[in-house]
Order: sequence, then structure tokens, then C-alpha cells
Amino acid sequence: GEDVEQSLFLSVREGDSSVINCTYTDSSSTYLYWYKQEPGAGLQLLTYIFSNMDMKQDQRLTVLLNKKDKHLSLRIADTQTGDSAIYFCAESLSGNTGKLIFGQGTTLQVKP
Amino acid sequence: NAGVTQTPKFQVLKTGQSMTLQCAQDMNHEYMSWYRQDPGMGLRLIHYSVGAGITDQGEVPNGYNVSRSTTEDFPLRLLSAAPSQTSVYFCASSLRAGVALRGSNEQFFGPGTRLTVL
Repeated sequence: GEDVEQSLFLSVREGDSSVINCTYTDSSSTYLYWYKQEPGAGLQLLTYIFSNMDMKQDQRLTVLLNKKDKHLSLRIADTQTGDSAIYFCAESLSGNTGKLIFGQGTTLQVKP
Repeated sequence: NAGVTQTPKFQVLKTGQSMTLQCAQDMNHEYMSWYRQDPGMGLRLIHYSVGAGITDQGEVPNGYNVSRSTTEDFPLRLLSAAPSQTSVYFCASSLRAGVALRGSNEQFFGPGTRLTVL
């Protein structure tokens, strides 16, 4: 079945870059997403990439997509303490349902 | 717009009790879904709906019922609560049921309901 995998934890120092990785299984996924969840809150869409793109940059965020290896990454430049949160990778499934499959989430800890 | 709203924010139940988690959206979204979030397991899809009158099962539907009588509301019913249903529940909605040809068809999430079953 469909599966999305992420490492569970990443710790970086303030000002460093963070790279969060994700692998997925559905090669026909149309969109891949990164969501951010702050403590006690719901998920908010950070950025997304269309499957025919290799890279997308949005201010401090860079998304890289390697379709051959089914690997997605999120790079946060100049990481700030406010970036501490759980980051979820998600893939949209093929077909006309709008369903998303989420990874387990990566907890990003930013040390001052 | 209020976006996606969920009630209650917190709930404690005893094993065997039933209850309904409410979800509403005021964005005229076609697609609505319920997820549960458990530590180390990410979000798992319980049920979803692609429009009023249409619902379908997700990954973990057992022990839950849904209905979609209006576009706005998508309640989740726990028929006989069990400790394994202790979790945080999120409702989400998106504009179209299918992946849009343009744009991301972003899913908007509610703030969550934290449920404890004793």
C-alpha cells in the first residue's frame, strides 16, 4: 500500500540550515506537501511541489523532489527558534479523491 | 471565514460511552476528512467525504461512523469508545475532491479534539 516515511527527530542550532527528508511510494502522486504543526495546534500548509518539478524555493524554504528515488526534502535556511515544530510530509494519491497520506512527522528542535 | 472548526477541544469518556465529534467548515469545500494523530504514527485517515451524501472509509475506520448531510458539516461518531481510541482527532477540508489542475488543493485543518478514553 501507500506509505510515507520520515525520520522522527532533528536537532539544529539557530542560524544553521535544517534538512528534513521524506520517502514515498506512490509514483503517480500529483502533489507532495510539507505541513507544519506547532504545539497544541492543527496542521498548516508550508509549501508544496507539483510532481513535474525538481525544486521549488519559497523564501527560506527549498523543496527538492527526486522522482526516480521517490525522495522529497525540505530545507529551511537560517533556522530560527520559531521554526521548532513537527513537520509532516504528505503525498496526494492518484485518482479523484483528494486523499492525502502523511508521514509520521519529524520533530525539529532548534537550539539557541 | 471561520475556516474549519471542531468541538469540543477536549473530551474524557469512559469505555463503552458514545459521542460525536463535530466538524464544520464555511468555505464551501467539497472534500472533508477525519484523521487521528498518535505519537510516532503521523496522521491516519479515518473517513472522508467527497461531497454531501457521499462518504468512504480511510485507513482506520473501525469503531467510527460518519455522515455528510450538508456541505458544511462532517460529524464523527464513536459508537462505543475504547481506550485504543485515545488520540487527537483532526478534521480537514479542501476545495475540490480531486487534485486540482491548478493550485495545490490544499487541505485546511481544524484545531483538533483531544480525546481520552478511560
